[in-house]
Amino acid sequence: EPEVTQTPSHQVTQMGQEVILRCVPISNHLYFYWYRQILGQKVEFLVSFYNNEISEKSEIFDDQFSVERPDGSNFTLKIRSTKLEDSAMYFCASPPGGTPDTQYFGPGTRLTVL
Amino acid sequence: AQKVTQAQTEISVVEKEDVTLDCVYETRDTTYYLFWYKQPPSGELVFLIRRNSFDEQNEISGRYSWNFQKSTSSFNFTITASQVVDSAVYFCALRGGETSGSRLTFGEGTQLTVNP
Repeated sequence: EPEVTQTPSHQVTQMGQEVILRCVPISNHLYFYWYRQILGQKVEFLVSFYNNEISEKSEIFDDQFSVERPDGSNFTLKIRSTKLEDSAMYFCASPPGGTPDTQYFGPGTRLTVL
Repeated sequence: AQKVTQAQTEISVVEKEDVTLDCVYETRDTTYYLFWYKQPPSGELVFLIRRNSFDEQNEISGRYSWNFQKSTSSFNFTITASQVVDSAVYFCALRGGETSGSRLTFGEGTQLTVNP
């Protein structure tokens, strides 16, 4: 049984639109991560989140991206004004428990920007 | 900065052959963690194994085994008696310790195709 689920599985949007991707851990996780994988390429780190704040972010995670955990359960990634190059698979990862241990990945959200 | 290199872009074998996937890493941390993930055609990332830098004992888990060599900064992964279902992209990943946060740094991946 997966530790993490993500919704939606596939999102199609027009360039310039805002999208929100959601990650739902099954158990009480404290660490959360977003990664991105452009088709055919390697997996790239975007941001890590702990104790309701960003703990680390990559150079990819610019001002158009934001993350939050609004209800203490869902962990969301918002892209404010999507660009064509944002088309990718977005993975949420979270280790079970309260330590940054092995990161188990959600099934991913495929974002297509037209 | 951390770096993971998987020099093999693609490997093709026949079922029941053994196959080894190579991984070389770079890190300034003295404590770090190494992982292998599998990405089947369905696209999800499946955790396979994890190794801590302070434990160089190599292990076998079913058909999987790994060879961690700190002296050469390598963390190779072997599948014994490969099966068609092993066909996937395999990613080696590194998580640093004291200086690198908890992000995973991935290699480029190796596409493994197991033919019947």
